[in-house]
Amino acid sequence: AQSVTQLDSHVSVSEGTPVLLRCNYSSSYSPSLFWYVQHPNKGLQLLLKYTSAATLVKGINGFEAEFKKSETSFHLTKPSAHMSDAAEYFCVVGPNSGYSTLTFGKGTMLLVSP
Amino acid sequence: DAGVTQSPTHLIKTRGQQVTLRCSPISGHKSVSWYQQVLGQGPQFIFQYYEKEERGRGNFPDRFSARQFPNYSSELNVNALLLGDSALYLCASSFGLRGDRGWETQYFGPGTRLLVL
Repeated sequence: AQSVTQLDSHVSVSEGTPVLLRCNYSSSYSPSLFWYVQHPNKGLQLLLKYTSAATLVKGINGFEAEFKKSETSFHLTKPSAHMSDAAEYFCVVGPNSGYSTLTFGKGTMLLVSP
Repeated sequence: DAGVTQSPTHLIKTRGQQVTLRCSPISGHKSVSWYQQVLGQGPQFIFQYYEKEERGRGNFPDRFSARQFPNYSSELNVNALLLGDSALYLCASSFGLRGDRGWETQYFGPGTRLLVL
């Protein structure tokens, strides 16, 4: 069975400062890992996906995440926050075998102040 | 190309009633999954269908059922509604289940917000 823990329920940053959203995972297999973003009253949008091809994954809107197997982490970062980044972010794990499906973390709300 | 579409966008029901939610996947996608997102929580997996067959079921009661049609669209049915069924119901589609590089990316629709009174 797989699980994912998002270490912060809320993260507050100022516009122009770096963003770090933390995620640890647990999986019996080498996992597929995703970050999704959800803006208020909107559906989920895929930011990036780890597929074992490269440990540093670049996504949309300047976000990237680094897969660290030794730390079982998949933290999301962005060098400079923008007001439009304010949203809820979900770290998601899916196994690389079997027919189980995605397991979501509880989410991290990113607040960006001017 | 159109993304995943869901209908209706909003729904209000009373306890004990039944509801049907609909989802149309991205053209060419053969798998549809359903998730329940309660306010303040991450989505919880309900069902996954691939090629019209159920391929996964989450920890939900038998009041929840689903099906996938030959055109790959899907319906989620919930019987005997409870107050706790109030949530955003999300549908996601993917081309398949697993590709060469792990789990297929799922693309989400905007959801149906269900309120049970």
